[in-house]
Amino acid sequence: ELKVEQNPLFLSMQEGKNYTIYCNYSTTSDRLYWYRQDPGKSLESLFVLLSNGAVKQEGRLMASLDTKARLSTLHITAAVHDLSATYFCAVVRMEYGNKLVFGAGTILRVKS
Amino acid sequence: EAGVAQSPRYKIIEKRQSVAFWCNPISGHATLYWYQQILGQGPKLLIQFQNNGVVDDSQLPKDRFSAERLKGVDSTLKIQPAKLEDSAVYLCASSSIKGQGVAKNIQYFGAGTRLSVL
Repeated sequence: ELKVEQNPLFLSMQEGKNYTIYCNYSTTSDRLYWYRQDPGKSLESLFVLLSNGAVKQEGRLMASLDTKARLSTLHITAAVHDLSATYFCAVVRMEYGNKLVFGAGTILRVKS
Repeated sequence: EAGVAQSPRYKIIEKRQSVAFWCNPISGHATLYWYQQILGQGPKLLIQFQNNGVVDDSQLPKDRFSAERLKGVDSTLKIQPAKLEDSAVYLCASSSIKGQGVAKNIQYFGAGTRLSVL
C-alpha cells in the first residue's frame, strides 16, 4: 500500500529564515506533486517531479526528489508572510490509475 | 480557462439526512475525481471517473455514498444517510488525458464543499 508521510506537520517560522519540509513515501512512485492550499481555497499545483534528482524552483520555493531514498523536500528560502499556507505532497503510481495519495500536510505560518 | 466549479460551498445537515454535491470539471477533461478531506488530513480519493465510467471506487463507502457522471461531464456525489464522521470538505478535481510530459494528468481542484453533519 502506498503511504505518504510529511514532517513537520506544523511549522512556525520568522520572515527571512530558511526551512525544509520533508515528504517520505513507502513504495516506488511515478510522479510526486507538491500542492499549496490556502484556508477555504482549492489546492494549487506547485511542482511535478518525475525522475530521480529532479529539482524545480519557483520564487522562494525549491522542490527536489530522491527516488532511491523515496524522499522529496520542499525548501523555503528567506520566507515571507505570503508563503503562509498548508503544503501537501502527493504521489502517483500509474498502475493504480492517476490516483493521488496525499500526505497529511504541513501548516506553515510565517511571522513578520 | 474556467476552473473546476463546485456547489454548494457550504452545507450543514443533521445526521441521517441526505445531501448532494455538484461538480463541473474543466472543459475537455476526461477524468474526474472526488476526494474527501477531513480536518487535519490530506485528501483521500473516493471515486475516479474516466468519461462516464468508474475507474476506481475502492474507498467509497458504498452503503451510503453514491456518485454519477452522466454524459461524461458534470458529476454529483450523494450521501444518504449522513453520519457525523462524514463532516469534511469534499473536493472535486479533473485532469486531461491529452498532452505530453508533465502537463498530462495534472489534477486541478475545485474550491470544495464544506459539509458539517450535526
